[in-house]
Amino acid sequence: NAGVTQTPKFQVLKTGQSMTLQCAQDMNHNSMYWYRQDPGMGLRLIYYSASEGTTDKGEVPNGYNVSRLNKREFSLRLESAAPSQTSVYFCASSARALLAYTDTQYFGPGTRLTVL
Amino acid sequence: GQSLEQPSEVTAVEGAIVQINCTYQTSGFYGLSWYQQHDGGAPTFLSYNGLDGLEETGRFSSFLSRSDSYGYLLLQELQMKDSASYFCAVRPSGGYQKVTFGTGTKLQVIP
Repeated sequence: NAGVTQTPKFQVLKTGQSMTLQCAQDMNHNSMYWYRQDPGMGLRLIYYSASEGTTDKGEVPNGYNVSRLNKREFSLRLESAAPSQTSVYFCASSARALLAYTDTQYFGPGTRLTVL
Repeated sequence: GQSLEQPSEVTAVEGAIVQINCTYQTSGFYGLSWYQQHDGGAPTFLSYNGLDGLEETGRFSSFLSRSDSYGYLLLQELQMKDSASYFCAVRPSGGYQKVTFGTGTKLQVIP
């Protein structure tokens, strides 16, 4: 099992350019997430997908869109990149949409994005 | 909203024990998780407390007290490889998928 994979690993954009970050998981997980992590800060939730066919906003959704293409894949799109979107982006997945007594998110290796 | 506070940095000696605290202000949540992240790496899951009390996993233990709005991660027999950042996280009961992470504690283990 590859777990959670992300492409690309690194990307440099100019202000105003668009791009899509790809994420895929092979663990048959229902839920998937996109986070951003800025230096010295924790992870902040951008968007999530509780199950195939659903997406919803997290803490910092402005400037982003997502697509849950199927159960395996969850992409993040920047329509018009801004320097404030320079960050490390992590995709994650977890097994169950609602549960009580356990919780594990599995993270991809991250995409390091710089917007000039 | 959710707010989780952690000390920004902690330094400890190899072989010693260190406790990383997480205090929170939240109206309700399912449980408290802990993640480890090495520099340049991805977060990896360490522990979860759905109920009050202590959970032990090898050298790592985690504790939760809902009445005190407080949790901690305890690392025993510290090794150099434990140098990393540690994050607490909650799933709020009002929005299960809207996971909130603390700002993280950078642990430096010194010889």
